[in-house]
Amino acid sequence: GESVGLHLPTLSVQEGDNSIINCAYSNSASDYFIWYKQESGKGPQFIIDIRSNMDKRQGQRVTVLLNKTVKHLSLQIAATQPGDSAVYFCAENYAGGTSYGKLTFGQGTILTVHP
Amino acid sequence: GAVVSQHPSWVICKSGTSVKIECRSLDFQATTMFWYRQFPKQSLMLMATSNEGSKATYEQGVEKDKFLINHASLTLSTLTVTSAHPEDSSFYICSARDAQREIHEQFFGPGTRLTVL
Repeated sequence: GESVGLHLPTLSVQEGDNSIINCAYSNSASDYFIWYKQESGKGPQFIIDIRSNMDKRQGQRVTVLLNKTVKHLSLQIAATQPGDSAVYFCAENYAGGTSYGKLTFGQGTILTVHP
Repeated sequence: GAVVSQHPSWVICKSGTSVKIECRSLDFQATTMFWYRQFPKQSLMLMATSNEGSKATYEQGVEKDKFLINHASLTLSTLTVTSAHPEDSSFYICSARDAQREIHEQFFGPGTRLTVL
């Protein structure tokens, strides 16, 4: 659900460590789940997506895990770099009904990577 | 490919005036565009969905007479904030969807920072 007025969760890691960012989603009928990175003052940037019939997908330095049983999504970043510092959002897409093509964004997590 | 631009990148206006924000898809035809608002330290909230040549669909709680959306071409959508007030100050972000791609793929613009004095 919404968390209007609450501060975003934060995650601080050292450069070179692996980072895990978590997200709980709301709609068990969602078809796709997407992770975005947003740097300060910029629009969201696509990182990776996963279809609802999958439980794991890997990209370059990133892995997304989907657990539909508990409606949980995670983003793992390997060998985190200072350039990875940003806010990370998960989003879900449900193609049915009047939601065709719309994305619902999660709360977001602030990732800070210390050199 | 799949680049979306917004203009202006930031704007300051006086209370009571109207502000127009443009969203353009530069290298693809956007059958659908979306407008989001983001307050500091918060997530993106969808305001409306705009389909080319038809009226926009607004999310619950978004005043359609205050936030006018026009999607007159396959590469341009505009958001006009009418009679702006300080509480309308926010980061406005558009995204565009290419009908040739997966339904969930949205390409985001860089955002427009609106400050109402």
